Amino acid sequence: NAGVTQTPKFQVLKTGQSMTLQCAQDMNHNSMYWYRQDPGMGLRLIYYSASEGTTDKGEVPNGYNVSRLNKREFSLRLESAAPSQTSVYFCASSDSLGSLAGNTIYFGEGSWLTVV
Amino acid sequence: AQSVTQLDSHVSVSEGTPVLLRCNYSSSYSPSLFWYVQHPNKGLQLLLKYTSAATLVKGINGFEAEFKKSETSFHLTKPSAHMSDAAEYFCVVSASSNNNDMRFGAGTRLTVKP
Repeated sequence: NAGVTQTPKFQVLKTGQSMTLQCAQDMNHNSMYWYRQDPGMGLRLIYYSASEGTTDKGEVPNGYNVSRLNKREFSLRLESAAPSQTSVYFCASSDSLGSLAGNTIYFGEGSWLTVV
Repeated sequence: AQSVTQLDSHVSVSEGTPVLLRCNYSSSYSPSLFWYVQHPNKGLQLLLKYTSAATLVKGINGFEAEFKKSETSFHLTKPSAHMSDAAEYFCVVSASSNNNDMRFGAGTRLTVKP
């Protein structure tokens, strides 16, 4: 009953360091997402992947890259971390991107990233 | 473009009393609307969603919300608060055709007093 699993849960980085957040889902979903959550701002979409092999920018993509490795996995990379990227990151997945039914998005438990 | 405004950043109620969390939206399309709940240090969990069917939507744990197009509102209610309802609640609007264009409200923190 894993759902969406993301690692690591906590990470502290120095400015300029790089790191990758890993995400995997076991629900056979086509679409996957990376969000960041900052106090008083709700969640903002960084990147999404409508299906295996495709990725697109969301609302706040600068400073990030993503890879849709296969249908299950969607990673988020910070090439040169900055203090402004201190945030809580959530991976999520849903059945499809273009549905008229407003598909439910399922979230992981979050990754707390601090850049000092 | 679409947006959502949660009118209260913090709501405090006593256990057993009604809960009202307010949400107003703006959307150029026929919207899908969601309420998600986030317990401390956890991911978001769907409470309920509206997708152009019945305007009164029932969700999990006794929550419900009513879509009012004339008022562009989607307020979340529960008749009787329980201690376990203490959490952060997010109202979300989505264009009917794109989950990638979802917009989250800033969140409402619900405190339940014994």
